Amino acid sequence: EAGVAQSPRYKIIEKRQSVAFWCNPISGHATLYWYQQILGQGPKLLIQFQNNGVVDDSQLPKDRFSAERLKGVDSTLKIQPAKLEDSAVYLCASSQRPDYSYNEQFFGPGTRLTVL
Amino acid sequence: AQSVSQHNHHVILSEAASLELGCNYSYGGTVNLFWYVQYPGQHLQLLLKYFSGDPLVKGIKGFEAEFIKSKFSFNLRKPSVQWSDTAEYFCAVKNGNTGKLIFGQGTTLQVKP
Repeated sequence: EAGVAQSPRYKIIEKRQSVAFWCNPISGHATLYWYQQILGQGPKLLIQFQNNGVVDDSQLPKDRFSAERLKGVDSTLKIQPAKLEDSAVYLCASSQRPDYSYNEQFFGPGTRLTVL
Repeated sequence: AQSVSQHNHHVILSEAASLELGCNYSYGGTVNLFWYVQYPGQHLQLLLKYFSGDPLVKGIKGFEAEFIKSKFSFNLRKPSVQWSDTAEYFCAVKNGNTGKLIFGQGTTLQVKP
């Protein structure tokens, strides 16, 4: 089965610019996650969707980050305006069943963002 | 707040050496435990997982982990490492109630041939 797809794989922007990342989860997966992984740290959950509804966005910096999952399939994560500290790898993951049951998250290759 | 701590940031071993990577978590409720691996240039993939039952869990590529509830630990082991095990390893805890996945900071394993 096809894995989680993400694009672009790399992005370099200047601070104060805007950027958007795209994710297409594994077909049939209802739950979609966006993580931020800063160099030397583990992934940190930014937002979790169940179908097209937000389950958890407690760690999403809402003044500059936004995410949507229209139609409950693919998703976009946007940063506007970007700051230097947003330089990180942005990972998308999906899982088949609601997150409180026995299930595994499958990760995409990530988008490496560099903010200059 | 829930957290995960990995004891070693960078481990260097020779081939055939034994491996043990430490992982401790802080949460008193129901947890599910995972080890993920990220090989150079590849994406995160699941190595093994614990949900319930036998606390000794076997994963892919000869890895295993032991859940010790009293110590809040889930250490990863492999009796004999190979050069191909060079990667970054992440321990993660999922809150059984909310489903939120919390990762440790990762351990970089370098295996010398």
